[in-house]
Amino acid sequence: GENVEQHPSTLSVQEGDSAVIKCTYSDSASNYFPWYKQELGKGPQLIIDIRSNVGEKKDQRIAVTLNKTAKHFSLHITETQPEDSAVYFCAASKDTGNQFYFGTGTSLTVIP
Amino acid sequence: KAGVTQTPRYLIKTRGQQVTLSCSPISGHRSVSWYQQTPGQGLQFLFEYFSETQRNKGNFPGRFSGRQFSNSRSEMNVSTLELGDSALYLCASSLRTGGTTEAFFGQGTRLTVV
Repeated sequence: GENVEQHPSTLSVQEGDSAVIKCTYSDSASNYFPWYKQELGKGPQLIIDIRSNVGEKKDQRIAVTLNKTAKHFSLHITETQPEDSAVYFCAASKDTGNQFYFGTGTSLTVIP
Repeated sequence: KAGVTQTPRYLIKTRGQQVTLSCSPISGHRSVSWYQQTPGQGLQFLFEYFSETQRNKGNFPGRFSGRQFSNSRSEMNVSTLELGDSALYLCASSLRTGGTTEAFFGQGTRLTVV
């Protein structure tokens, strides 16, 4: 099966700085990679995703990059704000169905 | 547009009992997936239903089962509850199956087994 590893497990940054979270996957058949943000007491919220035919995708302050050869993908958050503080999860899936394999999460703290 | 609705939000059950959780997907979405979230194991896939049929199943014992109705609403049942079943149970709604479509999560049902 698929194995998704995520680093770091915790990350603290100053407000306005950038944050980078990295994930690797093992199954070359995986072709869809969403990122989720989970705040305390809430379910995961989809913030950005990327498909295997794309190398990079941006949405305002958030960007995701994918390197299929190396089997890794990263989330970049620029100009961080205190409301970005949350746990972020990466995930991977393939065409066989909506079965997502999640990373272990990164707890991001943005210090005002 | 209403999001994914899970009921109840909180449950406390005794070991050995059974429990049923409910999930109403986003209107028009036909795929519902269930996940268990625990501090130790993270988010783990339970099963996916699409058009009332189970499409995929994760590595959980047969005590965990589910079903989907014709209106796409889904229920998950856990029988003979164990202490280790205490977790946040999340359902995710997708427009279609196939693995490359966005999945939107509900707020979850927090199950505590005592």
